[in-house]
Amino acid sequence: DGGITQSPKYLFRKEGQNVTLSCEQNLNHDAMYWYRQDPGQGLRLIYYSQIVNDFQKGDIAEGYSVSREKKESFPLTVTSAQKNPTAFYLCASTEGRDRWEGTEAFFGQGTRLTVV
Amino acid sequence: RKEVEQDPGPFNVPEGATVAFNCTYSNSASQSFFWYRQDCRKEPKLLMSVYSSGNEDGRFTAQLNRASQYISLLIRDSKLSDSATYLCVVGHSWGKFQFGAGTQVVVTP
Repeated sequence: DGGITQSPKYLFRKEGQNVTLSCEQNLNHDAMYWYRQDPGQGLRLIYYSQIVNDFQKGDIAEGYSVSREKKESFPLTVTSAQKNPTAFYLCASTEGRDRWEGTEAFFGQGTRLTVV
Repeated sequence: RKEVEQDPGPFNVPEGATVAFNCTYSNSASQSFFWYRQDCRKEPKLLMSVYSSGNEDGRFTAQLNRASQYISLLIRDSKLSDSATYLCVVGHSWGKFQFGAGTQVVVTP
């Protein structure tokens, strides 16, 4: 079955460490996204990628980095520069540019990151 | 002002009753609209897209009012399983979806 897989489901990080969250999709979608969700708040866009080898900053990109070397993969690195990284991270994907209008986003199951 | 705003609720609804709530958006160029459902500590899942003419899916009805820039969701004959947070999602340019903070619905026996 096609879908998006995020791993790990739970992640604990010590202060000062970088951690990488995995996101893989087999939907053949061109666009992929990373969102962060804090309690009582909506999803906020961290980074998004419309095509392989290209990505754009979202609304809260500081302290995060991404890469898009393969169409199916869009890993997110939470760096030590991110001051408050404890949150629920969601990866999503949508169909390609020519078919974007009206298409919905498919989400992974999320990674819950906790700084200890 | 947030680009997408929702009443956070909670809306406490007796089982079998009807509940409705809105979502306002600020970007008049918005092109696509969706309602997602999110259960506690889970990922959002698409409930329904919202079309210009309005659309219905079983007990759920979605409406779009472009003039006043809001979308609405109505749930009829509420079930206990409808308890969740409902996220309004608006897309207005390629690759940019804006999410509301969600409206919490609690259906009580």
